[in-house]
This record gives sequence, structure tokens and C-alpha cells, in this order.
Amino acid sequence: EDKVVQSPLSLVVHEGDTVTLNCSYEVTNFRSLLWYKQEKKAPTFLFMLTSSGIEKKSGRLSSILDKKELFSILNITATQTGDSAIYLCAVEALAETETSGSRLTFGEGTQLTVNP
Amino acid sequence: DAGVTQSPTHLIKTRGQQVTLRCSPKSGHDTVSWYQQALGQGPQFIFQYYEEEERQRGNFPDRFSGHQFPNYSSELNVNALLLGDSALYLCASSSAGHYMQPQHFGDGTRLSIL
Repeated sequence: EDKVVQSPLSLVVHEGDTVTLNCSYEVTNFRSLLWYKQEKKAPTFLFMLTSSGIEKKSGRLSSILDKKELFSILNITATQTGDSAIYLCAVEALAETETSGSRLTFGEGTQLTVNP
Repeated sequence: DAGVTQSPTHLIKTRGQQVTLRCSPKSGHDTVSWYQQALGQGPQFIFQYYEEEERQRGNFPDRFSGHQFPNYSSELNVNALLLGDSALYLCASSSAGHYMQPQHFGDGTRLSIL
């Protein structure tokens, strides 16, 4: 059974701090690893990672994947109160055949609170 | 460009009843996946529809069923509701023809069972 574990589950920091969120996984037929940010409702897409060692960046957020050790990290620098949210890590796994589609397996999420 | 839309936003039902949730995918997407997110948990995969057929299914009982229409919109049906079915139900859409594109999520339907 596919499994995704995130740590920490909860994190409280002050504005301006840098945070690192962790995601480890076990999956058959790995296709990609995704990070989403969830505030009140819809998870919004942050990054999709498919190759080891290639950092993806978007503003103050960055992420990297290690396919050998089966983990990913999400970094947020100079945190702001607007970064307060649940950060979800998901692994996309292919079905037995390419035409059978894929599914996302999510971790429990990391609840990040940024205090002013 | 309309994103993924779901209806209704909130729903209150009692045990034993049946419910239907609806989803319209993002423009250009043809694949719809449904997820259940219990409070404090990550979303769990229910099933995926493509070309009006269920293509993959997660570990959910047969009380959970779905349908996809020719316009790619989808419904999730849950029969014989249990208290444990209370959750946020998320719909996500993607395009089978665009390899390595992420699934996009709707705002979800909050289902409460009394």
C-alpha cells in the first residue's frame, strides 16, 4: 500500500523565520511528487517534482526531491502571516497500465502557523 | 478560465440517507478524481473517472459510486450514510492528454451527517 508521511505535523514560527517541511514516501510505480497549500478549502498547487536533485523555486518557496532516499522537502524563507496554512505532500502513482490513469496518495499535512 | 466547481458547498444529512455531490472540471480537462478529507487528515482517493468510466478506485465501500457525463462533469453518490462519512469531499480534474500536469482541486463540499 502506498504511504506518505509528513513531518512535523504542526509548526508555529514568527514572521521572517525560515521553515523546512518534510515528506517521505513509499509507493509502487512512482510518477511524481506534488506539494499543495490548503487554507480554507481547495488545495492549491505549489510544485510537481519528478527528477531527483533539481530544485524548483517560486518566490520564497522552494522544493527538492530525492528519489533514492524517497523524500522531499519544502522550504519557505522569510515567512509571512499569509503563509499560514496546511501544506500537503502527495505522491502520484501510476496504475498497472499507463492508460489506467494515476492516483494521488496524500500525507496528513503540516499545519504551519506564522505569528506576526 | 473557470476552475473546478463543486456543488453544493455545504450539506447536512442524517444517517441512512443518500447524497449526490456534483463537480464540473476545469476547462480543457477530461479526467475527474474524487477525494474524501476527514478533519485533520489528508485527502483520501475515492475513485477516478475518464471517458465516462471508473478508471481507478481507492479503498472505499460500494456505498460510494460515481458517474461521469459526456461533458466531463461528474457526480459522487453515497448511499446509506454513516456518521463516519462526515468530511470535506474534494473533486480534482486533470487532462489525460497532458502528461505531467497536476490535478486541480475544487473548493469541496462539506458533508455533515447527524
